[in-house]
Parts: sequence; C-alpha cells; structure tokens
Amino acid sequence: EPEVTQTPSHQVTQMGQEVILRCVPISNHLYFYWYRQILGQKVEFLVSFYNNEISEKSEIFDDQFSVERPDGSNFTLKIRSTKLEDSAMYFCASSKTLLAGAQGNEQFFGPGTRLTVL
Amino acid sequence: GENVEQHPSTLSVQEGDSAVIKCTYSDSASNYFPWYKQELGKGPQLIIDIRSNVGEKKDQRIAVTLNKTAKHFSLHITETQPEDSAVYFCASLGGYQKVTFGIGTKLQVIP
Repeated sequence: EPEVTQTPSHQVTQMGQEVILRCVPISNHLYFYWYRQILGQKVEFLVSFYNNEISEKSEIFDDQFSVERPDGSNFTLKIRSTKLEDSAMYFCASSKTLLAGAQGNEQFFGPGTRLTVL
Repeated sequence: GENVEQHPSTLSVQEGDSAVIKCTYSDSASNYFPWYKQELGKGPQLIIDIRSNVGEKKDQRIAVTLNKTAKHFSLHITETQPEDSAVYFCASLGGYQKVTFGIGTKLQVIP
C-alpha cells in the first residue's frame, strides 16, 4: 500500500540554524500538507500546497518557514533560523483532492520527523 | 476559526469492553470528520471517517456517528483488544484543506 515517507526521522540542530525536512507524498496525490505536534499537544496545521503554490497557511507558518516541491517527488519544509520552540514532531500529509465534501480528500500522514532544537 | 473539543483525554477499558470518544466542533460549515489513531512514535493513521450527508458509518469493530444539528460526533470501538491501545484524534475539515484536530484521547485496553 502506498504511503507517505519522511526523512530524517530525527533531526537535532542548534538554535539559529536552518533545517530542511523532507517528505515524499503518495505518488498520485496532488495536495500536500505540513503539520506539527509539540510533545503532548494536539496536531496543528501549518500549511497546504498545491500546484507549486501555498494554498493555505496558519498563523504558526511565519516568515521563518517555507515549503517547496523541488522535483516531482519531494516536498520540503524549511525553517530558516530555528528557535527552541520549534522543537516538535513535524508530519507531512498528502491527499488526492482538496474539498471537504469530495471523495479522495482523505489526508494520509507520514511517520514524522522529530526536530530537537538545542 | 474551527475549534474541536474532544473528551475524555484518557480512557481505560477492560479488554472486550466498548470504548466511546466524543467530539464537538464549532464551524457549521465543516462537513468531513476523520478519526486518526496514533501509536507511539508514529504518524496519525486514518481509521475511519464520516461525511456530513451520513449519520453513521461502521467498519468492523469501529463505528462513527455524526449529529450535525448538535455539532458532535463520536467514535465507538467494540470488543476492544490490547492492540487498540493508542492515542485517538478526532478532526474536522470544512471548505478547504485545513484539518483541525482535537486534543486526543489516550486509550488503554487492559488485558
């Protein structure tokens, strides 16, 4: 069964450093998402991406964050200058379609990247 | 924006008993309600979902009910097994892509 994959599984970085988290969405999906989960808290939406553009982002997704689809398979999340509070699990997800009422809008999540900022 | 409330935060049941997790949402435009199971160290896994034109959906031991008037939906797990132990998240989606999650319920099934 196709699945979303993410690398690395764990990233440790120093405060102020840039990190890039990588995801390979399910191959026939067109919509991609990043979420984060601070330890013990709920999963929070960061950004959605379609047709090489951000289609929606949350207030968490400030200028320090960016997303890119550099080729036909990868989807990346970059944090330019990491802060201690960026420490969290970051999940990538993908779906076939967009709208809430449409079949195929189910979002499938990857296993996550644990980011630790020291 | 949408707000999803979920309870209980923790739930312990004896193996074979049923477990019920309840959620409420605030945005009347929401019309898709997935449930995710998250095991330790893994990403959320979609286990069942329900759309607003349906009041109930069942898949083997798992069922979900939706009351759009009251804006609440519930997950029911029957004949629980130890492998059902995990954190369960309800979520809602209205309009476009942004899934709003509940706080999660840690379910422990005691053998």
